[in-house]
Amino acid sequence: AQTVTQSQPEMSVQEAETVTLSCTYDTSESDYYLFWYKQPPSRQMILVIRQEAYKQQNATENRFSVNFQKAAKSFSLKISDSQLGDAAMYFCAYRSGGSNYKLTFGKGTLLTVNP
Amino acid sequence: GAVVSQHPSWVICKSGTSVKIECRSLDFQATTMFWYRQFPKQSLMLMATSNEGSKATYEQGVEKDKFLINHASLTLSTLTVTSAHPEDSSFYICSAKGPVKAFFGQGTRLTVV
Repeated sequence: AQTVTQSQPEMSVQEAETVTLSCTYDTSESDYYLFWYKQPPSRQMILVIRQEAYKQQNATENRFSVNFQKAAKSFSLKISDSQLGDAAMYFCAYRSGGSNYKLTFGKGTLLTVNP
Repeated sequence: GAVVSQHPSWVICKSGTSVKIECRSLDFQATTMFWYRQFPKQSLMLMATSNEGSKATYEQGVEKDKFLINHASLTLSTLTVTSAHPEDSSFYICSAKGPVKAFFGQGTRLTVV
């Protein structure tokens, strides 16, 4: 079974600064996808960024980028120019390739952004 | 973008009663939907996979007789918590498999008193 580990229960960052959230995973599969989801106080899950395992290039979405290290099974999220609205719980998630969209989540990292 | 609507957003029920939560895909057909449970300050745990027109697949440790899932149409899945008890109080989130990715509902906070 796949596991996702987020070793940072809480992180804080100053507004406009950069923060990196860590995620490691364990799998024996070669075809899979990795995600970062944001869950603000409203509890709505919001997809931040997605990475296909077969792609070597790290995914980026505006101020959000990942450092995908496939051999090390590491998938960290970098948030640049942090904004107050970035404050939320962030979950790293794994899904197998194919048509099964079942997600396995890490325990989450609570990000606080200080003004 | 694709929208998944979950209803109700919160519900309070008495111990021993049943509660139904609906998950609708508003602008796409979802042959597969997922039901997750989230305890306070914890992660989302998959409870079951709901397949249109067939029986749901439950994760290990989830009581299928307690958490009844029905996926009778391509746009609607329901989760019924039967004979609810205070320990069933939690946040329940559905997710629908769309054309390219999965979309999440807004979640339902269930409180059993």
